[in-house]
Amino acid sequence: AQSVTQLDSHVSVSEGTPVLLRCNYSSSYSPSLFWYVQHPNKGLQLLLKYTSAATLVKGINGFEAEFKKSETSFHLTKPSAHMSDAAEYFCVVSDGTTSGTYKYIFGTGTRLKVLA
Amino acid sequence: DGGITQSPKYLFRKEGQNVTLSCEQNLNHDAMYWYRQDPGQGLRLIYYSQIVNDFQKGDIAEGYSVSREKKESFPLTVTSAQKNPTAFYLCASSLRGSTGELFFGEGSRLTVL
Repeated sequence: AQSVTQLDSHVSVSEGTPVLLRCNYSSSYSPSLFWYVQHPNKGLQLLLKYTSAATLVKGINGFEAEFKKSETSFHLTKPSAHMSDAAEYFCVVSDGTTSGTYKYIFGTGTRLKVLA
Repeated sequence: DGGITQSPKYLFRKEGQNVTLSCEQNLNHDAMYWYRQDPGQGLRLIYYSQIVNDFQKGDIAEGYSVSREKKESFPLTVTSAQKNPTAFYLCASSLRGSTGELFFGEGSRLTVL
C-alpha cells in the first residue's frame, strides 16, 4: 500500500540559510513523486515532480529534490531561504492501482517558517 | 489562461442546509477530484471522476455527492448528512491514466454556522 510520511510538521529557518523538508514514501509500484506548496487560503502549486527520469529534480523558486530509491526518500531542499518561502509544503506520491487508475497520496504537510 | 475555477471562495451555511460548490476546468483533463483539507490532516479525497458520467467514492465520501455531466464541470454537494462540514475544499484535475501532476483550484472555504 502506498503511503507518505513527512517527518516534520513544522520547520523554522533563518532567512538566507538552507531549507530541508523531509519526505519518505512507500509504494508497491514505480511511483511518481511531487512537492506542492500552499500559501494561506490558496490552492496548491506544483514545485517539482519526479517521474522516473533524473533522480535530482529541479523545480521552481530554487527548490530541488533528490529521489533515493534505496532510502525511499524524496527530500526537498533550497540553498537559501527567502521570506516568501514561508508556506505549507506537501509531499505527494502517485502510482497505479490494480484497477488501472492512479491514486495520489498526500503527506500531512510541513509548515515552513522563515525568520528575519 | 487554462486553469481550474472554484466558486464561491467563501460560503456560510446554516445547519441542515445542503450547499453546492462549483468546479470548472478548461484544461481538457478527463480526471477531476475533490479534496477536503483540515488543519494538520493534509488533504483527504472525497470523490473522483476519471471520465464523464462516472465517478467513485474516495476515502471520506459520506455526506457528500457529486455529478459529472460535462467534462469541464465537477460540482460537489455538501449535504446535511455531513456531520462536520466546516473545512477548506479543493478541486483538482489531471490527465487520465497518467502519473502527471494534479492541477488545483484556489479552494472554497465552507463555514457552518
